[in-house]
Amino acid sequence: QSVLTQPPSASGTPGQRVTISCSGSSSNIGRNFVYWYQQLPGTAPTVLIYRNDQRPSGVPDRFSGSKSGTSASLAISGLRSEDEADYYCAAWEDSVNGPVFGGGTKLTVL
Amino acid sequence: QVQLVQSGAEVKKPGASVKVSCEASGYTFSSYGISWVRQAPGQGLEWMGWISGYNGNTNYVQKLQGRVTMTTDTSTSTVYMELRSLRSDDTAVYYCARTKGPKGGYYFDSWGQGTLVTVSS
Repeated sequence: QSVLTQPPSASGTPGQRVTISCSGSSSNIGRNFVYWYQQLPGTAPTVLIYRNDQRPSGVPDRFSGSKSGTSASLAISGLRSEDEADYYCAAWEDSVNGPVFGGGTKLTVL
Repeated sequence: QVQLVQSGAEVKKPGASVKVSCEASGYTFSSYGISWVRQAPGQGLEWMGWISGYNGNTNYVQKLQGRVTMTTDTSTSTVYMELRSLRSDDTAVYYCARTKGPKGGYYFDSWGQGTLVTVSS
């Protein structure tokens, strides 16, 4: 049981806009930054979004992050086949004194 | 460019210990910490702890306290993670990850390739 709650799966067709949610509480998302990671099949994760809505250099602007209260969202616009991957949200959890992850969302591009 | 290269796969018996290495290059080792994150087969990500590349200070997740030790060798820019008293549910891919941000805002901007540790009798 993950501290942050994500839907286990999401899907969309090429060109569509897809949103993945991440729900937490006041001890994690509510008072700390949210981060998003993409894990392509068989590879290590990479950071997509840091500090709620910032994109590292090299990440396309098709990816965007937002946060409101104790929830956050990752939006992917102009969906492409290479976006098919697992997506994880993360945030600092005060009770753990460290970061916690969501259970992950498997994105399928139909 | 930043690179983190981990040691190879391990197979261990229950109760044994494993030590995984992570050699960093492409940046000033002492300027960043390294976290270890593990992923059980078909499961999500779990942060295990962090070690400072500057002074070796550590911050471990409470559930692993007493079983995990992270150390650094600054002469070779290498970080080690030792996990003791292995159980079957420790079977996972173990990743090292360069950690940015202060305590309260860690995030992982570069990852190693992962090391599969299998615990089986």
